[in-house]
Amino acid sequence: DAGITQSPRYKITETGRQVTLMCHQTWSHSYMFWYRQDLGHGLRLIYYSAAADITDKGEVPDGYVVSRSKTENFPLTLESATRSQTSVYFCASSEGSHSNQPQHFGDGTRLSIL
Amino acid sequence: AQTVTQSQPEMSVQEAETVTLSCTYDTSESDYYLFWYKQPPSRQMILVIRQEAYKQQNATENRFSVNFQKAAKSFSLKISDSQLGDAAMYFCAYRSAGFPGGGADGLTFGKGTHLIIQP
Repeated sequence: DAGITQSPRYKITETGRQVTLMCHQTWSHSYMFWYRQDLGHGLRLIYYSAAADITDKGEVPDGYVVSRSKTENFPLTLESATRSQTSVYFCASSEGSHSNQPQHFGDGTRLSIL
Repeated sequence: AQTVTQSQPEMSVQEAETVTLSCTYDTSESDYYLFWYKQPPSRQMILVIRQEAYKQQNATENRFSVNFQKAAKSFSLKISDSQLGDAAMYFCAYRSAGFPGGGADGLTFGKGTHLIIQP
């Protein structure tokens, strides 16, 4: 089925480890986004991508790395995880730039860093 | 930078009644888009309704409607005939149309309102 898939759904890791969260969409949307959701903060934009090989920072990019070699994939990497990065991470995609087209969200990854 | 404020951390309503969730935003842009998303306990983010700033007519989707007041920078969501399945977190979100300052794409979210439906 068409959609946006995140993996894993849950992840526990230790401080200092590298962890990669995966995001895959089948709509061929040009735009993809990563958000983190924390209590008391709603969702905040980490990084976004306008197309393959084009990425840009959002509101809270520090400590994260993204890449987009293919249109359908947009992985998010924490190169050295810290406890403050414990959160729920959402990937989203949409057509067009700065548009009224809704962003379609994955089901999220709950990441715990011990 | 834009900000979105949801001043009601939690709201409660009787089943079949009407409830209004508040949202205000701050922006210097004249063109933008506003959205309401619903997040049930399953954690999914589900689009409820959207509004283009250039449209004066308030958006409506079945039991959901908005009251968009551009001058006041207010975008409230009204849910009529509340149902148990409406219980969720509701997030108001802003997206720039990119003019005139460009800037980052993506949604700016409020902190959410937890809606409780009393049977």
